[in-house]
Amino acid sequence: NAGVTQTPKFQVLKTGQSMTLQCAQDMNHEYMSWYRQDPGMGLRLIHYSVGAGITDQGEVPNGYNVSRSTTEDFPLRLLSAAPSQTSVYFCASSFPGTAYNEQFFGPGTRLTVL
Amino acid sequence: LAKTTQPISMDSYEGQEVNITCSHNNIATNDYITWYQQFPSQGPRFIIQGYKTKVTNEVASLFIPADRKSSTLSLPRVSLSDTAVYYCLVGSGGGGGNKLTFGTGTQLKVEL
Repeated sequence: NAGVTQTPKFQVLKTGQSMTLQCAQDMNHEYMSWYRQDPGMGLRLIHYSVGAGITDQGEVPNGYNVSRSTTEDFPLRLLSAAPSQTSVYFCASSFPGTAYNEQFFGPGTRLTVL
Repeated sequence: LAKTTQPISMDSYEGQEVNITCSHNNIATNDYITWYQQFPSQGPRFIIQGYKTKVTNEVASLFIPADRKSSTLSLPRVSLSDTAVYYCLVGSGGGGGNKLTFGTGTQLKVEL
């Protein structure tokens, strides 16, 4: 299994540009999430999905869109990039359940917005 | 979501046992306690999870007192490779998805 994969690894955008960060998992996990991590800080939840066709907002959703058309993929779209969105973005996935199940994280995408 | 408080940083030496304590006074009945480890330029990695008393796996132990308002991650005989940030999280994954709340974590530095 490849686990959770993210592309690209690095990206530089100009203010106002749009782009999509890709995330895929091959573990048949129903839950998928996107986080951002700013320097010296913990991860903050952007959006999450409990299954194909179902998404919801996390702690910091503004400026980002998501969709979940398949179990495997959960892309994150930046509609109009701003310097405040410079960060490292992590995608994660897990099985559902009543317990706080183990989340598997991808390697991250380092985004710089100029 | 229950808020957690843990030390910003800790220093240790190789071969020592390290205990990192996390406070979570507002933990709910359905909440579990989970610890993650993060190395620079990598995503967090699950270490251990528990609900009450003691849980042990091949890398760590988790001690949770009866009132569950705190927990302690114990790393036996640390090595240089254990230098990382350790996050304590509290919550439950049912229904509303895995809405994890990460604090700033504890930066553990292990020296020779």
